[in-house]
Amino acid sequence: GENVEQHPSTLSVQEGDSAVIKCTYSDSASNYFPWYKQELGKRPQLIIDIRSNVGEKKDQRIAVTLNKTAKHFSLHITETQPEDSAVYFCAASTPSGTYKYIFGTGTRLKVLA
Amino acid sequence: DAGVTQSPTHLIKTRGQHVTLRCSPISGHKSVSWYQQVLGQGPQFIFQYYEKEERGRGNFPDRFSARQFPNYSSELNVNALLLGDSALYLCASSLATSTDTQYFGPGTRLTVL
Repeated sequence: GENVEQHPSTLSVQEGDSAVIKCTYSDSASNYFPWYKQELGKRPQLIIDIRSNVGEKKDQRIAVTLNKTAKHFSLHITETQPEDSAVYFCAASTPSGTYKYIFGTGTRLKVLA
Repeated sequence: DAGVTQSPTHLIKTRGQHVTLRCSPISGHKSVSWYQQVLGQGPQFIFQYYEKEERGRGNFPDRFSARQFPNYSSELNVNALLLGDSALYLCASSLATSTDTQYFGPGTRLTVL
């Protein structure tokens, strides 16, 4: 079945450094790729998303890149801050057949002050 | 996303009991999806409903069922509860299909004793 692999599972960076989280999806028909940030005890919050007709999207310190050929996409956070510490989830969605989002297993990001 | 509401916030049940969880989507959104999130894992897709019809179903047993009402609110029902059903149950609201941005509610924390 459909699968989304996410790496790394944990990531520690110094404040001000960059963080990169990578996801690989299995269904070549997937065409929408959101990223969510989830703080402890709270709901997942959408931080950025990308569609398959775009290779890169940027929003201030956050960017996402998509490689359709390799079926992987990445989240890039620059100039990290302590408040970026959270669990980040990627997801992939397919428009046809059974509608569903497939989520990755999550990356716990710790930004060290 | 502040418009997605879920009730109750917390719930404690015993094995074998039945539970009903409720979700109200953002005004104007016609699609509701349900997810199960076990501690330390990503959300697992259970159902998606659009215009009162089931449009997608994840790999969950028939003990799980759902429905969507004419006002687009939704209920998730779980019968014959097992210890393993203990989790955070998240509802997500979107305009239409699964490739529209999904906004999550705060979740219902279910504990099965």
